[in-house]
Amino acid sequence: GNSVTQMEGPVTLSEEAFLTINCTYTATGYPSLFWYVQYPGEGLQLLLKATKADDKGSNKGFEATYRKETTSFHLEKGSVQVSDSAVYFCALKTSYDKVIFGPGTSLSVIP
Amino acid sequence: DVKVTQSSRYLVKRTGEKVFLECVQDMDHENMFWYRQDPGLGLRLIYFSYDVKMKEKGDIPEGYSVSREKKERFSLILESASTNQTSMYLCASSSFRAVGDEQYFGPGTRLTVT
Repeated sequence: GNSVTQMEGPVTLSEEAFLTINCTYTATGYPSLFWYVQYPGEGLQLLLKATKADDKGSNKGFEATYRKETTSFHLEKGSVQVSDSAVYFCALKTSYDKVIFGPGTSLSVIP
Repeated sequence: DVKVTQSSRYLVKRTGEKVFLECVQDMDHENMFWYRQDPGLGLRLIYFSYDVKMKEKGDIPEGYSVSREKKERFSLILESASTNQTSMYLCASSSFRAVGDEQYFGPGTRLTVT
């Protein structure tokens, strides 16, 4: 069946460090891929998405490229800030309704 | 600005009580979802609905029911609350137009059952 695997963390980085959160997936067909972010005490919100192979999603300095050959959608940011501290969820969607979420990766950025 | 609202941010109920969690979206979305979020377990789908009066079981429907009488409103019901239902509950909605359309989430309701 469809599934998403991501590093669970927690990940702790110093401000201005480079961030990578790995995400790999298993899916039939051609999924759309997403990264959601959850700030403390809030619901999830979309960070970026990619709907076909080789697409790059980007937002707020974060980027992820849809790699069909490696079934991956790794999240990267060149210089993290304290305000990026949150939980990050990789997700996929193969149909018009349900989303499959990864377990989430907790990120703490220290000054 | 698109919005999904949930009736309460925090709720404390006693074991055995009937609990209603309400969710409203203003985006005219067909799909609506209820998840629970627990540390170490991520998001788990309880129920979803793709149309008024339609519902589908998710991964963990036991102990829950849902109601969707209007397109914009999706209610989660705990018929007899138990302590193992203490959790964060998240509502979400999405359109049925494209696989690439994302889900929009409410702020969550943190339910404590004592």
